[in-house]
Amino acid sequence: DAKTTQPNSMESNEEEPVHLPCNHSTISGTDYIHWYRQLPSQGPEYVIHGLTSNVNNRMASLAIAEDRKSSTLILHRATLRDAAVYYCILRDVVKNSGCSNYKLTFGKGTLLTVNP
Amino acid sequence: DVKVTQSSRYLVKRTGEKVFLECVQDMDHENMFWYRQDPGLGLRLIYFSYDVKMKEKGDIPEGYSVSREKKERFSLILESASTNQTSMYLCASSSPAGTGFYSNQPQHFGDGTRLSIL
Repeated sequence: DAKTTQPNSMESNEEEPVHLPCNHSTISGTDYIHWYRQLPSQGPEYVIHGLTSNVNNRMASLAIAEDRKSSTLILHRATLRDAAVYYCILRDVVKNSGCSNYKLTFGKGTLLTVNP
Repeated sequence: DVKVTQSSRYLVKRTGEKVFLECVQDMDHENMFWYRQDPGLGLRLIYFSYDVKMKEKGDIPEGYSVSREKKERFSLILESASTNQTSMYLCASSSPAGTGFYSNQPQHFGDGTRLSIL
């Protein structure tokens, strides 16, 4: 399984941008990069995913390095509700009977604290 | 919105008991997953299922089994509970990635069952 490396924790101020880094130096050419977050007392929640190009959605932006060995999740204006553990994950494909299904291997993530 | 419902938020059982954790999803998803989450270890995949009556072992299947008799329901079974199975258990579901290799579907998680084995 390809691995990711994230800082254990980061701190931000409310209404400021947050850049959450992730290193994945052993990424293969077909590995998708997924980000999930887990708010306190809840299950993980999908945030965004990408392959090569930068991606934007209503929750966040994902910037992927040209060599794909690292990526950054960008929260444009952090709110108190964004305080969570953020996971950077490489999708693992499991092949069965001609169909490709995948699993996500979660690491320890980055604990984001947002200060008011 | 997709809803994944786990039958209990908190559960306390005794060593040696047979324990059933139930998960139901309402989005007609083919794929369902069981994870456990422990401090310092992150989430680890126990089992997953890509169709009714089909199952695949994840990274830590020992001591567990699963059942998928209906598409919407995926059960995790601890055959003989032990104290090292005290953990937070999370269920998830998703649509399949499909035959096209470059497709992705998010996994939708329940809020977890905190299981204590005494």
